[in-house]
Amino acid sequence: DADVTQTPRNRITKTGKRIMLECSQTKGHDRMYWYRQDPGLGLRLIYYSFDVKDINKGEISDGYSVSRQAQAKFSLSLESAIPNQTALYFCATSVGDLTGELFFGEGSRLTVL
Amino acid sequence: GIQVEQSPPDLILQEGANSTLRCNFSDSVNNLQWFHQNPWGQLINLFYIPSGTKQNGRLSATTVATERYSLLYISSSQTTDSGVYFCAVEPWSSGNTPLVFGKGTRLSVIA
Repeated sequence: DADVTQTPRNRITKTGKRIMLECSQTKGHDRMYWYRQDPGLGLRLIYYSFDVKDINKGEISDGYSVSRQAQAKFSLSLESAIPNQTALYFCATSVGDLTGELFFGEGSRLTVL
Repeated sequence: GIQVEQSPPDLILQEGANSTLRCNFSDSVNNLQWFHQNPWGQLINLFYIPSGTKQNGRLSATTVATERYSLLYISSSQTTDSGVYFCAVEPWSSGNTPLVFGKGTRLSVIA
């Protein structure tokens, strides 16, 4: 089993629908992240959390919200999806020290029609 | 914020050739990592290398932090090396901050 698991792996939805992408990890890391990947733009940070009580906005947080339910779980929500949120979404984890090596989930491909 | 520039944006190689990918960054960093995204979208951490040189098989990386660049070397390339290579940096600060990614270098290795 993967150390960082994302569900769903693929989702097609319609404009205006609420969508939740879930991430769980078994690595025991404190830090969790949500990134978005668009063709030619690399990965851009949406939200990050350094522990259960800590939530921070990233570069492109507008239109998204997150919930850190436990050390191992970090969910990303789109309250009212729009077509330009069509992208590949990655959850990632890292340890809470200076090494900061990042480990990614397998990605969730979201299409908003 | 910090800028991360990767070059070249695209690279096509014949199997067995060597290549060098470059990552320039605009400010001091605590941390630099290289990642490979395979054609199926999976992202794998290749190197954690804020300074110095590391080697892992046919891949090696060098970061010269004082000159704000890092290089990823691929020797004797194989078709399985195809994909996108990302450089990511953690801007220097008194506390940890998340990684900032470059836009990547897309590598295609042809048999």
